[in-house]
Amino acid sequence: ETGVTQTPRHLVMGMTNKKSLKCEQHLGHNAMYWYKQSAKKPLELMFVYNFKEQTENNSVPSRFSPECPNSSHLFLHLHTLQPEDSALYLCASSPNSYEQYFGPGTRLTVT
Amino acid sequence: QKEVEQNSGPLSVPEGAIASLNCTYSDRGSQSFFWYRQYSGKSPELIMSIYSNGDKEDGRFTAQLNKASQYVSLLIRDSQPSDSATYLCAVKGNSNSGYALNFGKGTSLLVTP
Repeated sequence: ETGVTQTPRHLVMGMTNKKSLKCEQHLGHNAMYWYKQSAKKPLELMFVYNFKEQTENNSVPSRFSPECPNSSHLFLHLHTLQPEDSALYLCASSPNSYEQYFGPGTRLTVT
Repeated sequence: QKEVEQNSGPLSVPEGAIASLNCTYSDRGSQSFFWYRQYSGKSPELIMSIYSNGDKEDGRFTAQLNKASQYVSLLIRDSQPSDSATYLCAVKGNSNSGYALNFGKGTSLLVTP
């Protein structure tokens, strides 16, 4: 499989649940990103990892917890989310600090 | 606050016409500029990158950059209905700005047959 993959593609969870989003890139890139995309708002950068090290955390609430075990895998652990966290969560990777390539996204609904 | 501004549209053009999408940015130190295409329900797809003033052509797409005016545009020649999508402008600061891209809200393009 090539490119950037994300699982699950759709997720419905209650406010008290704990779930995880998974991202895998098969491009040999060294940087990986989590973005949130909500309706009528620009893409919001959440976290950046470069060679497994977190380089940016854009003031994201602690109910979102990233994990990057290696340069090919990225997780976003979710717990006690709020309805306003419902959005499309996009993973991206890049070979450098320039072009970014996105996965298909996870559509998250918090009930 | 580093802002990237785009007209939300929708921009409607007839098939075969030239579609012109515009983007302005606030950070004068920005060095790298990207256009992404996003179909409804899909993720953004990188279609163009531009780093120097002037024009860059790739097939039916031309990106234009004017750093003095803090303006970047995307021209789509011979527009097709399959070009109907939201086009996102993304801007990166200088080499000290880390890995973040600042995205605009996107312009919705509708190409009518």
